[in-house]
Amino acid sequence: NAGVTQTPKFQVLKTGQSMTLQCAQDMNHNSMYWYRQDPGMGLRLIYYSASEGTTDKGEVPNGYNVSRLNKREFSLRLESAAPSQTSVYFCASRFDTAYGYTFGSGTRLTVV
Amino acid sequence: AQSVTQPDIHITVSEGASLELRCNYSYGATPYLFWYVQSPGQGLQLLLKYFSGDTLVQGIKGFEAEFKRSQSSFNLRKPSVHWSDAAEYFCASMDSNYQLIWGAGTKLIIKP
Repeated sequence: NAGVTQTPKFQVLKTGQSMTLQCAQDMNHNSMYWYRQDPGMGLRLIYYSASEGTTDKGEVPNGYNVSRLNKREFSLRLESAAPSQTSVYFCASRFDTAYGYTFGSGTRLTVV
Repeated sequence: AQSVTQPDIHITVSEGASLELRCNYSYGATPYLFWYVQSPGQGLQLLLKYFSGDTLVQGIKGFEAEFKRSQSSFNLRKPSVHWSDAAEYFCASMDSNYQLIWGAGTKLIIKP
């Protein structure tokens, strides 16, 4: 089925470890986004990519890096994980500003 | 700065009863407004959106929302809720950079 695919679905990391969250969409969308969701705080934008080849910081970029590998794929990297990065991470994409976002099913990350 | 407020953290409704979830936004011009639903353990799904035109917007799953400029509101309604509507609902508006600003969410609980 067409949509946004995130891997992995669950991950436990030790403090200081690194990892990359993968996101791919097959809808030919131009823009892609990484959010984190924490209880009572709604969704907070980490990074986004308005088009292939561009990336920009969102509201909470510290401790993260991103790569827009091609039009389909947008990865999020944690270089040195911290317990404060324990969260559920969502990738989303949209074709254009006149459209809503399509979300992936999320990655639940725990940093111990 | 733009903001979106969902005043109710939780709402409990009996199955078959009507529902109204509140959303208030702050933005000078006509905003682009969205409602999303998140079922437990899932990503967010677009219910409906308002860009312009008719202020009563129909969405999926029997939901509708009404844009009221005078009250800076975009409340979500459903005439008769089903147990499957139990979820968290997020209101969002688009800022001048075409990024979404999210409310903190309202968790809907359905009483049998």
